[in-house]
Amino acid sequence: EAAVTQSPRNKVTVTGGNVTLSCRQTNSHNYMYWYRQDTGHGLRLIHYSYGAGNLQIGDVPDGYKATRTTQEDFFLLLELASPSQTSLYFCASSPDWGGQDTQYFGPGTRLLVL
Amino acid sequence: QQKVQQSPESLIVPEGGMASLNCTSSDRNVDYFWWYRQHSGKSPKMLMSIFSNGEKEEGRFTVHLNKASLHTSLHIRDSQPSDSALYLCAASPNYNQGKLIFGQGTKLSIKP
Repeated sequence: EAAVTQSPRNKVTVTGGNVTLSCRQTNSHNYMYWYRQDTGHGLRLIHYSYGAGNLQIGDVPDGYKATRTTQEDFFLLLELASPSQTSLYFCASSPDWGGQDTQYFGPGTRLLVL
Repeated sequence: QQKVQQSPESLIVPEGGMASLNCTSSDRNVDYFWWYRQHSGKSPKMLMSIFSNGEKEEGRFTVHLNKASLHTSLHIRDSQPSDSALYLCAASPNYNQGKLIFGQGTKLSIKP
């Protein structure tokens, strides 16, 4: 099964702080995704990418930046964290177009913004 | 407003019973539907996908799709305690490659 890892697994920061969440996949998948999960909202797409240097805007991008540095690595940046960004963040990857290919999820990062 | 609506929000089914979960897209430009399962404290994992009208069966799990009404349903027969999880429906719009839109999920509890 496809391997997706995330770090850190848990993070606490203060309002206005800088946070970087990391994701790595070792399956040579083209597509990578960042989601947030909140009770009552399912999974909401923040940003996604179909290759190194590419970035696509998701459905809830405000307050988030992302960068895909290599085929394997996708980063999510919160430059001025706010309490509304307290959430469970998942990274996912898929071999090709996520609409036709299974997405494989990492274990998640739980972020608390005080 | 959610473009993918799931019902019910939560469901309790006795062990050995049938669980039926529903999902409808309000976006007519949807081509494919997916069902993911997420056990408590774990990440979502793909359970089944369906792209064509009709029915697809895999073991105890059956998925139906009606493309005209943009409605899909997941049925679990002979439910087991290990089926207790959050079930997420997702739809893929044909105008935006690479993207899935998830519903809010149905929390299924199987009572022994």
